[in-house]
Amino acid sequence: GQSLEQPSEVTAVEGAIVQINCTYQTSGFYGLSWYQQHDGGAPTFLSYNALDGLEETGRFSSFLSRSDSYGYLLLQELQMKDSASYFCAVRDASGSARQLTFGSGTQLTVLP
Amino acid sequence: GAGVSQSPSNKVTEKGKDVELRCDPISGHTALYWYRQRLGQGLEFLIYFQGNSAPDKSGLPSDRFSAERTGESVSTLTIQRTQQEDSAVYLCASSPQGTGPQYFGPGTRLTVL
Repeated sequence: GQSLEQPSEVTAVEGAIVQINCTYQTSGFYGLSWYQQHDGGAPTFLSYNALDGLEETGRFSSFLSRSDSYGYLLLQELQMKDSASYFCAVRDASGSARQLTFGSGTQLTVLP
Repeated sequence: GAGVSQSPSNKVTEKGKDVELRCDPISGHTALYWYRQRLGQGLEFLIYFQGNSAPDKSGLPSDRFSAERTGESVSTLTIQRTQQEDSAVYLCASSPQGTGPQYFGPGTRLTVL
């Protein structure tokens, strides 16, 4: 089976930097994704890491270490609109290998 | 272009009734997924369609749940004899080939009284 762990809540102030960690256990591994979901909204794709290292997309960066089964999402220059839930998700070798298994989500609150 | 659409946006039903939820994926996307999200929780995989291949039904929680997809177009998720624990948001997503980002619809909020 597979499992993911991420913090349930993170709070930070506007303009700050925040890191949301995700550790996973999978039977085989194809990649780690991050999705953002605002209250009442649909999840939207943020980033994907298949290989070790840092991927940068504007204010958001995502990191993966396959040897540590660990990744993180880094949000810089936080804005109020970044308040949302952030989910890590893994694609692994179980089942059809096309499934995404999602973590329980991290609720990010950005304070003024 | 249009994104993934789902209908209805909200559905309230009585325990024991059957419900049918609809998903229109992005045109040209061969992969389609259904997820369930209970309040304050993550997404729970239900079923995956890829082109004309047999669907991956490994996430369906019971035989009351079923889904169909016609070719690479519309999909319907049917829940028979609904129970209160079926209350959740049901999300549909599609992707071009099944290996890239998934694009989610707005979901159907199901409430079983």
